[in-house]
Amino acid sequence: EAGVTQFPSHSVIEKGQTVTLRCDPISGHDNLYWYRRVMGKEIKFLLHFVKESKQDESGMPNNRFLAERTGGTYSTLKVQPAELEDSGVYFCASSIQGFTGELFFGEGSRLTVL
Amino acid sequence: GIQVEQSPPDLILQEGANSTLRCNFSDSVNNLQWFHQNPWGQLINLFYIPSGTKQNGRLSATTVATERYSLLYISSSQTTDSGVYFCAVEMSTGGFKTIFGAGTRLFVKA
Repeated sequence: EAGVTQFPSHSVIEKGQTVTLRCDPISGHDNLYWYRRVMGKEIKFLLHFVKESKQDESGMPNNRFLAERTGGTYSTLKVQPAELEDSGVYFCASSIQGFTGELFFGEGSRLTVL
Repeated sequence: GIQVEQSPPDLILQEGANSTLRCNFSDSVNNLQWFHQNPWGQLINLFYIPSGTKQNGRLSATTVATERYSLLYISSSQTTDSGVYFCAVEMSTGGFKTIFGAGTRLFVKA
């Protein structure tokens, strides 16, 4: 069974450009989460989808970040326009159950904004 | 919000040594997981352990939910154990958000 997959693994862009990260959860997992780790700090929650609906987006830093999950399958996280402080590793995770469910993480997408 | 504290923040071990990593949390939680972030940045599930004790090879974990802490034991450490160990808890209230501790950075010397 395939795990959570993320693409790209590494992206280098200039300030002001746009980047779109993609996450494919484990098949059958309705819950999908985005997290990020910036500058070696803590891993911070960004948002949570249940199928195609945003359950909790309280961790999204600002309106330059847009997450979608059309059809309740894969998800995209777009950063537009990117700023220097957006650099970090963006992790996606999925779980079967949103409540007391074990999280499975992808390998992360490393974003570098120059 | 809930606070998740891990100790020690940094740990250097000689290969073959044992260690205990601790995770304290400030409120009741639905579940707790331990992850290992390897030098390539991958987050590897170690244990899903809301309570009780589990063992997997040289690693074991114990969570005492009533006292709000969890311990991760690493025995006979190997250089491949190096990386950052994260404790993550899912809050009991306010949705299904999982909160991570700051991690324990482990370096195992050959």
